[in-house]
Amino acid sequence: TQLLEQSPQFLSIQEGENLTVYCNSSSVFSSLQWYRQEPGEGPVLLVTVVTGGEVKKLKRLTFQFGDARKDSSLHITAAQPGDTGLYLCAGYTGTASKLTFGTGTRLQVTL
Amino acid sequence: DTGVSQNPRHKITKRGQNVTFRCDPISEHNRLYWYRQTLGQGPEFLTYFQNEAQLEKSRLLSDRFSAERPKGSFSTLEIQRTEQGDSAMYLCASSSIPGSRYTFGSGTRLTVV
Repeated sequence: TQLLEQSPQFLSIQEGENLTVYCNSSSVFSSLQWYRQEPGEGPVLLVTVVTGGEVKKLKRLTFQFGDARKDSSLHITAAQPGDTGLYLCAGYTGTASKLTFGTGTRLQVTL
Repeated sequence: DTGVSQNPRHKITKRGQNVTFRCDPISEHNRLYWYRQTLGQGPEFLTYFQNEAQLEKSRLLSDRFSAERPKGSFSTLEIQRTEQGDSAMYLCASSSIPGSRYTFGSGTRLTVV
């Protein structure tokens, strides 16, 4: 059972457009991570957010952790074809040793 | 540091056969995780080792699944009497601190025919 719901499930946009991916849960997480995964490869960590309300920027990517630490968002500005991939959020509760992954958002950026 | 290595990358097996996958984590990482991922979905937790001790197992890990990490280094995941529903990508990850960066391998894609 996935405790982290991501939306949208699939997004197809043109180069230069902006987009936002959402990650929502009813559970509180002590930290939340975002990964990107390309076909045939394992997920690669993009960022970790820890504090409620925290905003982190990674070039054209902006990550925000909700005030209540139950949700997060990823905003991409001026998307490029290289941003294409499966974006995964993953939460860590601290009481369990594992990360719980979201349902995933598949992004396709075309020229 | 060569990252997390998984072998084989691909495995095609007939239903009912046994398969074994191997994961070599980053050498300094004492935590090792196995996940299963079906197409377009997020990875689902299977099991977790701290050193050689298997500390947590998911309900997804039926009696046909067994994992070991005998010397706290590499790990193996065995599936007995494979079923078509076992077809998935099996991912291994390692970390040094709980909740910290996971480093994933490239996965083993299993196809049961």
